[in-house]
Amino acid sequence: DIQLTQSPSFLSASVGDRVTITCRASQGISSFLAWYQQKPGKAPNLLIYAASTLQSGVPSRFSGSGSGTEFTLTISSLQPEDFATYYCQQLNSYPPITFGQGTRLDIK
Amino acid sequence: QVQLVQSGAEVKKPGSSVKVSCKASGGTFSTYSISWVRQAPAQGLEWVGRITPISNIVNYAQKFQGRVTVTADKSTTTAYMELSSLRPEDTAIYYCARDHGSGQLDFWGQGTLVTISS
Repeated sequence: DIQLTQSPSFLSASVGDRVTITCRASQGISSFLAWYQQKPGKAPNLLIYAASTLQSGVPSRFSGSGSGTEFTLTISSLQPEDFATYYCQQLNSYPPITFGQGTRLDIK
Repeated sequence: QVQLVQSGAEVKKPGSSVKVSCKASGGTFSTYSISWVRQAPAQGLEWVGRITPISNIVNYAQKFQGRVTVTADKSTTTAYMELSSLRPEDTAIYYCARDHGSGQLDFWGQGTLVTISS
């Protein structure tokens, strides 16, 4: 199975900051990657698919990039509602679906 | 707009089974897949399995092979996940989610907490 490793696992930032989360795949997955946001007590929410396509309704401050084995999720200017945990998911070789271990984004 | 509504919380004893339901509304049930994803307390997301109702093709994570059964009833647009031989480490929130066809999960149920305790 393809393994996904996110970095960092924990991130502390302030409102207005630009933040980047990285997801590395154990083998090339072209652009078959999605990103999710999960807030405490809630189901995950799809942010980006195909590495860089913004899901309908997701604010434009979120963006994704990358291909092959290295991908990034960028939030251009953090808003209070963005403090959450973020997961990447590979879509190249599925099933099985695999997720990264998550990146928790906290308020500094 | 697709909506997925799951059954309520369950408490089960080790060795028993649990069956969680996921009622879909909106969209066309037969044209997409339903995946099941679980999340143990304070842990990440783990894919359990998937069904494509139009074909009844199922896929399971190797870890759960032999213990999980995913089914779908097209007449009631409801998907089910049954997990048997339950262990304490199966305690988790179980989510159903629509698999848009390319693997991304664009609509999620509210989650069902399954607690395994003697």
